[in-house]
Amino acid sequence: LAKTTQPISMDSYEGQEVNITCSHNNIATNDYITWYQQFPSQGPRFIIQGYKTKVTNEVASLFIPADRKSSTLSLPRVSLSDTAVYYCLVGGAPYSSASKIIFGSGTRLSIRP
Amino acid sequence: NAGVTQNPKFQVLKTGQSMTLQCAQDMNHNSMYWYRQDPGMGLRLIYYSASEGTTDKGEVPNGYNVSRLNKREFSLRLESAAPSQTSVYFCASSHQGTGIYEQYFGPGTRLTVT
Repeated sequence: LAKTTQPISMDSYEGQEVNITCSHNNIATNDYITWYQQFPSQGPRFIIQGYKTKVTNEVASLFIPADRKSSTLSLPRVSLSDTAVYYCLVGGAPYSSASKIIFGSGTRLSIRP
Repeated sequence: NAGVTQNPKFQVLKTGQSMTLQCAQDMNHNSMYWYRQDPGMGLRLIYYSASEGTTDKGEVPNGYNVSRLNKREFSLRLESAAPSQTSVYFCASSHQGTGIYEQYFGPGTRLTVT
């Protein structure tokens, strides 16, 4: 199983770039890496997904090294509204078994003025 | 589109009571999921349905049953509720196929078992 490990919490300030790293040493060849954001009392929301190298969208970038044993979510110029829990998910496409769907423990990001 | 809807939003049960949590999606997704999230914890998969008529156990299936009624609806049943099942339950859905399989989550059902 491609279990993931993330920092429990991180703090930063408005306007800074924040990088959250997820370790997934046992990632399989057909696994994708997906990041979700969750605000209190809400369901998680998709942020970004990648397979290798770098992916960028309007809210974040995802960096994946060649060995794919880790990935880094980069949030540019964070604001107070980015305070949330961020989850790293590793799984195959398509999901061949429910055992492949494993959320990490999440990183609680706090942004200060 | 309403996306993923869940009912009820809140529920209080006594130990031993049963109930069914309802979930529906209007995005024509093939795959649907049930998760639980305990206070301060991450999400744990209870059951998963890749398509209508199929279900698969996740990480924590004990004490739960599911029914994929049709492509839109996926229900979660607690036959005999226990205090350990106090949690927030999230339903999600996604396309199934190669590449992107972003999961869309519902607003959750907060369940308290006393």
